[in-house]
Amino acid sequence: AIQLTQSPSSLSASIGDRVSITCRPSQGIAGGLAWYQLKPGKPPKVLIYDASTLASGVPSRFSGSGFGTEFTLTISSLQPEDFATYYCQQYNIYPLTFGPGTTVDIK
Amino acid sequence: QLQLQESGPGLVKPSETLSLTCTVSGASISSTSHYWGWIRQPPGKALEWIGNIFYSGSTLSNPSFHGRLTMSVDPSKNQFSLELTSVTAADTAVYYCARRPHYFDYWGQGILVTVSS
Repeated sequence: AIQLTQSPSSLSASIGDRVSITCRPSQGIAGGLAWYQLKPGKPPKVLIYDASTLASGVPSRFSGSGFGTEFTLTISSLQPEDFATYYCQQYNIYPLTFGPGTTVDIK
Repeated sequence: QLQLQESGPGLVKPSETLSLTCTVSGASISSTSHYWGWIRQPPGKALEWIGNIFYSGSTLSNPSFHGRLTMSVDPSKNQFSLELTSVTAADTAVYYCARRPHYFDYWGQGILVTVSS
């Protein structure tokens, strides 16, 4: 199975900061990667799919980039509602796999 | 508006079978463009894909569950279901159902299932 490594595992940031999270698959997955935001007591919310396509209704401060073996989720200006855990997920090769998550909390 | 809702027991005894159903509203489960999936999150751990089912009944599942997992679909009720046998405490998790074009775009609220005697 493809292993996804996320870095950092956690980060502390302030409102307005630019934040980037990296996801590295153990082998190339072309562009088959999505990013999800997870908050306690709520279901995951897709932010980005196909590596760089913004999901419907997601603020434009979120962006995704990458291909193959390295992907990045960027939040251009962190807002209070963005403090959450973020997961990458690959869907290019079965079994589908998720990364271990990156928790973004308040500095 | 598409909605998914998980239902089933919140408490299952060790060695017994965990059974969950996902009811879909606002869209037909017979869509030829989507799979319907199950994902879980054990306490304090990452998300884990369990398996997908197509309206025809064809399935794909995580090898980690092979031998214990059965998925089924009932298009007449717009529902799909999961059965996981011989559960242990390690199967304690929030279980989500979701729709999958390729990524998971719509999710249920999730149901906490605790395995305990």
